[in-house]
Amino acid sequence: EVQLVESGGGLVQPGGSLRLSCAAPGFTFSDYWMIWVRRAPGKGLEWVAHIRGDGGQTYYGDSVKGRFIISRDNAKNSLFLQMNSLRAEDTAVYYCARNRDYSVSGIHYDLYDMWGQGTSVTVSS
Amino acid sequence: AIQMTQFPSSLSASVGDRVTITCRASQGIGNELGWYQHKPGKAPNLLIYAASNLQSGVPSRFSGSGSGTDFTLTISSLQPEDSAIYYCLQDYNYPRTFGQGTKVEVK
Repeated sequence: EVQLVESGGGLVQPGGSLRLSCAAPGFTFSDYWMIWVRRAPGKGLEWVAHIRGDGGQTYYGDSVKGRFIISRDNAKNSLFLQMNSLRAEDTAVYYCARNRDYSVSGIHYDLYDMWGQGTSVTVSS
Repeated sequence: AIQMTQFPSSLSASVGDRVTITCRASQGIGNELGWYQHKPGKAPNLLIYAASNLQSGVPSRFSGSGSGTDFTLTISSLQPEDSAIYYCLQDYNYPRTFGQGTKVEVK
């Protein structure tokens, strides 16, 4: 069942900015890496960004690197995605998800085991 | 970035059929691969992690196999509720990358 709640989506002009939020109650938020994934209309899922539990390490997809910033506030159990210099191709439903780390023999696997229902972003003039 | 190629891009099968989806990585990724199911208007759902481990709560008709560059997701007996798009995801390195998806239609 869905236990994350995204918000902040909407209509924005090309070149504009938007900040998405993801509320994550019900678990020890700081223990988990968190991610953003998106799905553009007519396209497949695209991995967007990843942040470590303490916020000290972040990774980005090639198409958003340098424009998007993932961050978190562990005191408020919240994840964010600051989206700048938005383009039409950023139009998508954005999902946040929890990454439950699974480790075997020193290999860390991603398990995106909890998701939100998504928030829709439309970039258009 | 590692490219993940899935095939077929879509398929149609009957209830009870065995269905296999293939995912190929552009380089070796060990067993660092997951499978996700996505239904319209719903959140994606983790099915398989580490190539062959069934996520808790996922029906046993789903299974995964493979290592290196070639992986498969099998649905042993297709059910009406399995109609969805299925994606592989490599978590070998950054950026993580999904396959383009396989749309499964249940006749």
